[in-house]
Amino acid sequence: DGGITQSPKYLFRKEGQNVTLSCEQNLNHDAMYWYRQDPGQGLRLIYYSQIVNDFQKGDIAEGYSVSREKKESFPLTVTSAQKNPTAFYLCASSNGDRGYNEQFFGPGTRLTVL
Amino acid sequence: AQKVTQAQTEISVVEKEDVTLDCVYETRDTTYYLFWYKQPPSGELVFLIRRNSFDEQNEISGRYSWNFQKSTSSFNFTITASQVVDSAVYFCALSGRDNYGQNFVFGPGTRLSVLP
Repeated sequence: DGGITQSPKYLFRKEGQNVTLSCEQNLNHDAMYWYRQDPGQGLRLIYYSQIVNDFQKGDIAEGYSVSREKKESFPLTVTSAQKNPTAFYLCASSNGDRGYNEQFFGPGTRLTVL
Repeated sequence: AQKVTQAQTEISVVEKEDVTLDCVYETRDTTYYLFWYKQPPSGELVFLIRRNSFDEQNEISGRYSWNFQKSTSSFNFTITASQVVDSAVYFCALSGRDNYGQNFVFGPGTRLSVLP
């Protein structure tokens, strides 16, 4: 079955540590995205990638980094510079990066900073 | 600037009631796209529908229906004969024709609770 997988489902981090969230898709989509969701709020874009080896900052990129070495993978690193990282993180992909392309989402990773 | 408003933060209904979720948008684009997503307790957003701005026909899919009205900039979602499995957070989203996927604008979501 085609889809998007994210791991781990739950992640706990001590302050000052970097952590990496995994996102893999087998939909053969070129475009991939990372969103952050806080309670009672909509989704905010962290980073996006339109093609392999290329990515752009979204609205809230500070304290995060990404890589796109393979078409199917788009890992997100939450660095110690991110001041309030506790949130739900969603990865998405789309077949094409235009506005009319619906985005498909993974199951999410819930990150908690202890 | 584009904006999506979902004024209803939370709605509770009893099973079998009909319920309408409101979505109001703002955009200067003449061509744009509207979306609805469902987020069940598991967390994954599920795509429900995309509507093009030049197609104002209402759409029905089973118990779900969507009412798109450009005159009021609204794209409302109605669930008929609601069921407990409909309990979720529902997001409305907007994107312009000339935008890329990074310019999806999501509303804050409406949490729907369907009580047995």
